[in-house]
Amino acid sequence: AIQLTQSPSSLSASVGDRVTITCRASQGISNTLAWYQQKSGKPPKLLIYDASSLQSGVPSRFSGSGSETDFTLTISSLQPEDFATYYCQQFKSYPITFGQGTRLEIK
Amino acid sequence: EVQLVESGGDLVQPGGSLRLSCAASGITFSDHYMDWVRQAPGKGLEWVGRVRNKAKSYTTEYAASVKGRFIISRDDSKNSLYLQMNSLKIEDTAVYFCTRGYCRSTTSCYFDYWGQGTLVPVSS
Repeated sequence: AIQLTQSPSSLSASVGDRVTITCRASQGISNTLAWYQQKSGKPPKLLIYDASSLQSGVPSRFSGSGSETDFTLTISSLQPEDFATYYCQQFKSYPITFGQGTRLEIK
Repeated sequence: EVQLVESGGDLVQPGGSLRLSCAASGITFSDHYMDWVRQAPGKGLEWVGRVRNKAKSYTTEYAASVKGRFIISRDDSKNSLYLQMNSLKIEDTAVYFCTRGYCRSTTSCYFDYWGQGTLVPVSS
């Protein structure tokens, strides 16, 4: 199974900060990566697909980049509603796998 | 408006069985792959499995942790997805989400719509 390792596991930041979360795949996955945001008690919400495509309705402060084994999710200017847990996910091969999550907290 | 509504979550004893349902509306259900994803309390997301559409012969894929115990099926006439869970273990305790596996191609696939989830506690 392809393993996805996110870093950091948790992060404290302030409103207005630029934040980057990384996701490393255990083998090359081309651009078959998505990013999700999850708030407590809610289902995940798709933010980015195909590594860098912004899902409809998602604010442009979110962006994704990378290919093969190294990927990043960047939030250009944190807003209060962005404090949540973020997951990467690969679709290159079965089993579909998620990263362990990055919890973004208010500093 | 797209809605995925899970039901059937209940307390079950280890070794028991349970069937979850997911009712879909607002999408052409029959066109799409459908997946189950679970989340143990306080933990991350774990993909459970997938059922493809009729064009792909309703074939299925499963995570190793549930293969041989869980069965995913669908009824396109009812816009419904199912998860039959057998031989349940304590470690199957989780919120179970149904989600649409939107696949634009063999290399572009993601989960764009999610239900709110249904809790399955496995405990004696």
